[in-house]
Amino acid sequence: GAGVSQSPSNKVTEKGKDVELRCDPISGHTALYWYRQSLGQGLEFLIYFQGNSAPDKSGLPSDRFSAERTGGSVSTLTIQRTQQEDSAVYLCASSFSPGSNEQYFGPGTRLTVT
Amino acid sequence: KNEVEQSPQNLTAQEGEFITINCSYSVGISALHWLQQHPGGGIVSLFMLSSGKKKHGRLIATINIQEKHSSLHITASHPRDSAVYICAVRSGNFNKFYFGSGTKLNVKP
Repeated sequence: GAGVSQSPSNKVTEKGKDVELRCDPISGHTALYWYRQSLGQGLEFLIYFQGNSAPDKSGLPSDRFSAERTGGSVSTLTIQRTQQEDSAVYLCASSFSPGSNEQYFGPGTRLTVT
Repeated sequence: KNEVEQSPQNLTAQEGEFITINCSYSVGISALHWLQQHPGGGIVSLFMLSSGKKKHGRLIATINIQEKHSSLHITASHPRDSAVYICAVRSGNFNKFYFGSGTKLNVKP
């Protein structure tokens, strides 16, 4: 079946604009994760959803970042008033359940803030 | 201080060599993951461990909970194993992940 998909694959935006990144997890996967990888840097955990609920939002870098998940499926990560330091690849992953062996990663959205 | 430390940062090996990548962590965890990131950027989950040892093909992962340490071994390494290997731990309450900085492996033919 289809894997995790993310859109857009690339996004260039001007500083100060809002952006919305989308993640479509594998059908039936209840757990969904957002990560960020800045250029030349390691992975950074942002937020995790179990169903539509995010138990802990403290991993989000600032209050300009928000995420939601509806219907236990699609998730959107919204960045308001983008800054240059927000430039990164934003990765989404899903797993059947939080304790599942494997997370399946999407291809990522490359965000460039000019 | 990083919650997850990996070593080495870079590793070059000849094809066929046995490779070990180490990961130490300082937080309480519910599980430890090993990930592989290919040069094109795609990430694949290799293992999730909460105890003991797992094997998949030429890859072996071990974890020692008491010592807060895990190792990833690659037997009979091959150039296609060249990638960045990342150790990640999931916090005890399931709600956060912490990542190592990755080990860049280059296997030469």
